[in-house]
Parts: sequence; C-alpha cells; structure tokens
Amino acid sequence: GENVEQHPSTLSVQEGDSAVIKCTYSDSASNYFPWYKQELGKRPQLIIDIRSNVGEKKDQRIAVTLNKTAKHFSLHITETQPEDSAVYFCAASLGYGGATNKLIFGTGTLLAVQP
Amino acid sequence: DTAVSQTPKYLVTQMGNDKSIKCEQNLGHDTMYWYKQDSKKFLKIMFSYNNKELIINETVPNRFSPKSPDKAHLNLHINSLELGDSAVYFCASSQDDSGNTIYFGEGSWLTVV
Repeated sequence: GENVEQHPSTLSVQEGDSAVIKCTYSDSASNYFPWYKQELGKRPQLIIDIRSNVGEKKDQRIAVTLNKTAKHFSLHITETQPEDSAVYFCAASLGYGGATNKLIFGTGTLLAVQP
Repeated sequence: DTAVSQTPKYLVTQMGNDKSIKCEQNLGHDTMYWYKQDSKKFLKIMFSYNNKELIINETVPNRFSPKSPDKAHLNLHINSLELGDSAVYFCASSQDDSGNTIYFGEGSWLTVV
C-alpha cells in the first residue's frame, strides 16, 4: 500500500523567512496530493492541493511542487507569519473511487514561526 | 451551520465501557470517514463509507463498529474500551471517493482511564 514520509518533523523559522516541507510517496499510481494545516486543538484544514497533471501550484504565499518521477512533493511558505505556526500534513491518494482509494497522511511537521 | 459536526467533543470514560461518537455532515457529500489521531499526531484512516456502504476498513479491532444510517451520518461505536483507544477521533466527508477534498469535523477527544 501507499506510504508517505514527511520531513522535517519540526521546523523553526524567523518571521519573514521561507519554510519548506518535503514529502515522498511510494505508490507511483498516486495522483492527488493535498496539504493540511492543523492548529493546536483544531481540525486539519486543507490549504492547497495538487494533482499529477501539474508540476506546481501557487496560492498567495503558499506553493506546492510535484515531481512525479522522483515521487516527491513539497510545500513552500514564503514570508512566514506567526499565524502560520501549526502542524502541517502532506497526504497522497490514488484519486479515484474504489476500495484502494484512501488518503494516506504523512507524519506531520510542526512549524514554529518566531516573531 | 458547521459542515461536519460530531458529538461529543470530549469524552472521559473508564476501561471496559462502551461508547459512541456521532457524526453528521450537511454538505450533501456521498463519502464519510473516521480517522484516528494519536498522541504523536499521526492521522490514520479507520473506515470509509460511500453512500452508506463500507468501502474501507483498515485493520481496526472489531471492538470498533461504524454505522451509517444514511449518507449524511456516520457513527462510531466502541466496545470494551482500552487505554490505547485514547485519541482524537475525526469524522470527515468528501464529495465522493474519487480523491476530492476531505473536510474534517472538529474532533472528539476520547480519554480512557
């Protein structure tokens, strides 16, 4: 089955710096890659996602890149702010219906943005 | 008007008890899920239902029994609770099971003492 690895497990940056979180996946058939942000005591919430037919997607200060050949994808946050502090999860799935389709999450990255 | 709502939010109970967590979504989605988040924050899928039909059952002890009376509801019943069952249980839903956005509920914090 699919396995998603995520690094680093913790990341501390100064306000205004960039943060990069990387994930690798094992199933080459996976084609849907969302990123979730979970603030302390809250639910995970989708912040950006990418499908395998594109290599990069951007939404304001957040961008995601996908390298299907190497089976890895990354989250980039620019101009970080204290409110970006949270746990970030990457995930991968096959993106089509059936018993084999399930969203597998990475182990999470605790991002701390120091003011 | 919370999209995915689950109750109770907090639950403290003794070992050996039986408890249920209820979940409802008002998004008109076909697919609902239960995820478990342990103390290390790992998020693992437990069950998935599509139009009331069980489609994913990850190797979860049979003390855990999901039930979907209709596609807007997915409840989780846990028998003979154990200390290791302490976790946050998230209900979630998506439009269908074709890799669309999954929306999570607020979570139910279960503590077994």
